[in-house]
Amino acid sequence: DGGITQSPKYLFRKEGQNVTLSCEQNLNHDAMYWYRQDPGQGLRLIYYSQIVNDFQKGDIAEGYSVSREKKESFPLTVTSAQKNPTAFYLCASSKTEINEKLFFGSGTQLSVL
Amino acid sequence: EDKVVQSPLSLVVHEGDTVTLNCSYEVTNFRSLLWYKQEKKAPTFLFMLTSSGIEKKSGRLSSILDKKELFSILNITATQTGDSAIYLCAVGTISNFGNEKLTFGTGTRLTIIP
Repeated sequence: DGGITQSPKYLFRKEGQNVTLSCEQNLNHDAMYWYRQDPGQGLRLIYYSQIVNDFQKGDIAEGYSVSREKKESFPLTVTSAQKNPTAFYLCASSKTEINEKLFFGSGTQLSVL
Repeated sequence: EDKVVQSPLSLVVHEGDTVTLNCSYEVTNFRSLLWYKQEKKAPTFLFMLTSSGIEKKSGRLSSILDKKELFSILNITATQTGDSAIYLCAVGTISNFGNEKLTFGTGTRLTIIP
C-alpha cells in the first residue's frame, strides 16, 4: 500500500539535544511538507520541499532544519534552538507543488523531558 | 496575513443529528478551500472546493463554498459515532512567485454521543 510513514510515533527530547523525525513516502510525490500542530492552533508549516535537493522555509522554520536528498525522504531535525518543541508533528506530501490535496502521515508526538 | 477561522471550536451532538461546521477566510489570491477529517492522528482528505455554489457530496457529507461571502460549510447528516473527529478547513493560495500555500484553521472537534 502506498502511503507516508512517520517514525517514531513518540519521541522525548532532553534539553540541548537535537532530535530527528523521519518521514518516508512511496507515493512518488514530488512535494513534501512538515507541519506542527499545537492544541487550539491550526497546522503551521515548518518547511516544504518541491523537488529533491531543494527546500523552503515555512512560517515557523526557526529552530528546525530539513534535508531532501531522496525523493522519498524528508527528515526534520528539531534543534536545541527550538525552545518550545513539544507538539505533534505531521509530515505530508502532494503530487506536485501546485496540488492542495495533501496526504498525511500518522504523526510524531515530541515531548521535552 | 492570511486567516482561516472555524466555528464552533467544539460540538457535541447525539447520533442521528445533523451538524453544520463553518469555515470563514480572509486571504490573498484564493485558489481553493479544502476539508480534512482528523480521527486519530493522520488527517484525511474530504473535499476540495474552488467554485461558488457547487455542492460537493460524499455519502452523508456535503460541502459548499461561497466566494462572495468568503466562507464554506460542511454538513453531516444522520451522524454516527464514527464521525467523531476534528474537522480541519484549509485555504490554498498562490503567491506572487507561483508557489502554493495552505493556511489551516484551528479545527472543529465533533463528538457524537451514541
